[in-house]
Amino acid sequence: AQSVTQLGSHVSVSEGALVLLRCNYSSSVPPYLFWYVQYPNQGLQLLLKYTSAATLVKGINGFEAEFKKSETSFHLTKPSAHMSDAAEYFCAVSLGYGGSQGNLIFGKGTKLSVKP
Amino acid sequence: DVKVTQSSRYLVKRTGEKVFLECVQDMDHENMFWYRQDPGLGLRLIYFSYDVKMKEKGDIPEGYSVSREKKERFSLILESASTNQTSMYLCASVFGEGVAGYTFGSGTRLTVV
Repeated sequence: AQSVTQLGSHVSVSEGALVLLRCNYSSSVPPYLFWYVQYPNQGLQLLLKYTSAATLVKGINGFEAEFKKSETSFHLTKPSAHMSDAAEYFCAVSLGYGGSQGNLIFGKGTKLSVKP
Repeated sequence: DVKVTQSSRYLVKRTGEKVFLECVQDMDHENMFWYRQDPGLGLRLIYFSYDVKMKEKGDIPEGYSVSREKKERFSLILESASTNQTSMYLCASVFGEGVAGYTFGSGTRLTVV
């Protein structure tokens, strides 16, 4: 069965600093991987996704993530944090099948704080 | 853009009340999901549906039921609300096997008093 682990429930960075949010997955077959962002009292918004094309995936708001099969990782990065990046971020994995095996499995989330 | 609309942003209900949370999507998606979100626990799947009148239990279905009479609408029902069902509820939908990623509604923050 697949699973997702997000290291660090809270991450704090200074404005302008590098953002690195970690995600490791477990999957028996090549997975589909996603990062979502959630602003306070809102639903989740898709940031980017990996679906077996390029291993470096660019998303919205300057974020990108790199799929590393050997490390079973899909870490999210942004070169320079902005105050508006403060939110909670969720990593998710899917096998991409139909039926319940295709359901997304979410990590527990990482709350990003950005200090001025 | 696909829209997933949840009928209420905030709800306050009394213990024992029957509560309906409504979710409507406008892009003919077959698959719809209900999650609850609690601090430190992430998103937990309550129920999902792959077609009209079809439903399957997720990880935490106890105390909940669902209804999908039309393809665009997926309702979550709390038969007798309890205080431990105070939570944020999120609806999502997706087309096919979901490789495009789910689209989420804005959420309903339910408080049971």
